Amino acid sequence: QQQVKQSPQSLIVQKGGISIINCAYENTAFDYFPWYQQFPGKGPALLIAIRPDVSEKKEGRFTISFNKSAKQFSLHIMDSQPGDSATYFCAATSKTDSWGKLQFGAGTQVVVTP
Amino acid sequence: DTEVTQTPKHLVMGMTNKKSLKCEQHMGHRAMYWYKQKAKKPPELMFVYSYEKLSINESVPSRFSPECPNSSLLNLHLHALQPEDSALYLCASSQDQTAYNEQFFGPGTRLTVL
Repeated sequence: QQQVKQSPQSLIVQKGGISIINCAYENTAFDYFPWYQQFPGKGPALLIAIRPDVSEKKEGRFTISFNKSAKQFSLHIMDSQPGDSATYFCAATSKTDSWGKLQFGAGTQVVVTP
Repeated sequence: DTEVTQTPKHLVMGMTNKKSLKCEQHMGHRAMYWYKQKAKKPPELMFVYSYEKLSINESVPSRFSPECPNSSLLNLHLHALQPEDSALYLCASSQDQTAYNEQFFGPGTRLTVL
């Protein structure tokens, strides 16, 4: 059973548009929410991460919005570029988990058209 | 150096073969991980080594045998695999096994079992 639900499964956006990926969780013990970006033929790489003490975190064109009461968080990619075409995984973990296992969402394949 | 290297990049093996996957990192990380990733799916955790000791085995079949010869190296020995074991095998490392530590992934070994 997937502990983090991610949507949509795939997304096509025009260059310059905004890509939005949503994730939801049930385990209130989760307290760290990273996003990983994976290009074809590569391993995932950490893109941005947030803890629940803040509602938003921005790094360049990438923003995480976090809604603790709704147990939801989302990734916004502003001014999407063809180079952003990749699969994005949200994840969650908890410091009370003795070994920090990442619970991944199912992934979203983003295609940015020129 | 923030790189995790994996060899080989591709491996084709028969069900009776014995082969090994190799992973190396020189970031001084003390936690290393093996993941299995099927196409269009998130990575699935297989094993975690912490300070060169196996700390987590996610109920992985015994035909997969991990080994951590030293703090920089991680091997995955393969024997009598099944076609359904064909997947991308990812190695990752982090500073230690606790939450909040970024996991750095290698590019993976694409395994095909005939």
